Amino acid sequence: AQSVSQHNHHVILSEAASLELGCNYSYGGTVNLFWYVQYPGQHLQLLLKYFSGDPLVKGIKGFEAEFIKSKFSFNLRKPSVQWSDTAEYFCAVNAWGEAAGNKLTFGGGTRVLVKP
Amino acid sequence: DTAVSQTPKYLVTQMGNDKSIKCEQNLGHDTMYWYKQDSKKFLKIMFSYNNKELIINETVPNRFSPKSPDKAHLNLHINSLELGDSAVYFCASSPGQISSGTEAFFGQGTRLTVV
Repeated sequence: AQSVSQHNHHVILSEAASLELGCNYSYGGTVNLFWYVQYPGQHLQLLLKYFSGDPLVKGIKGFEAEFIKSKFSFNLRKPSVQWSDTAEYFCAVNAWGEAAGNKLTFGGGTRVLVKP
Repeated sequence: DTAVSQTPKYLVTQMGNDKSIKCEQNLGHDTMYWYKQDSKKFLKIMFSYNNKELIINETVPNRFSPKSPDKAHLNLHINSLELGDSAVYFCASSPGQISSGTEAFFGQGTRLTVV
């Protein structure tokens, strides 16, 4: 079964600082990769996704992520954060194939606090 | 225009009670899901339905019973509520099965507190 791990549970940084959140998954087959964001008291929103093609994907709000297949990683980055980026960030994996099941497997989330 | 809507948003109830959470999506999607987010924010799938048919049941206690009267609705009924059921429950939908490469759209969540 696939699993997803996010290395940082909490990240605190100041506005204009750069952000990088780590995500690693374990699954040997084809995967689709996602980053979701959950702002305080709100639902999960899709930031970006990788299905195929260019491993560097750009999402909304200036976020991007890079899929490195050899490292089973899909790290999220933003060059300059804003106070409004304060949220919980979730990496998720969809593994292809019947054995993997029809489901998103989520990482444990990273809580990001941006100080003004 | 709420794409995936859940009711209620908050639910406080006593142990042993039976409660339901409703979910509706107006996106025309074939597949719907229930996820549970525990107190540590860990999200885990509970059920998945495709065209009203159950396709995933992730070893959830049988006190939890999903019901899909049509493609647009997936309700979650919980019998004999326990303290450990306290969590945020998220409904989601996708245009096809996730294993075919689609993305899921989530509702706002229902915060269930069992006292």
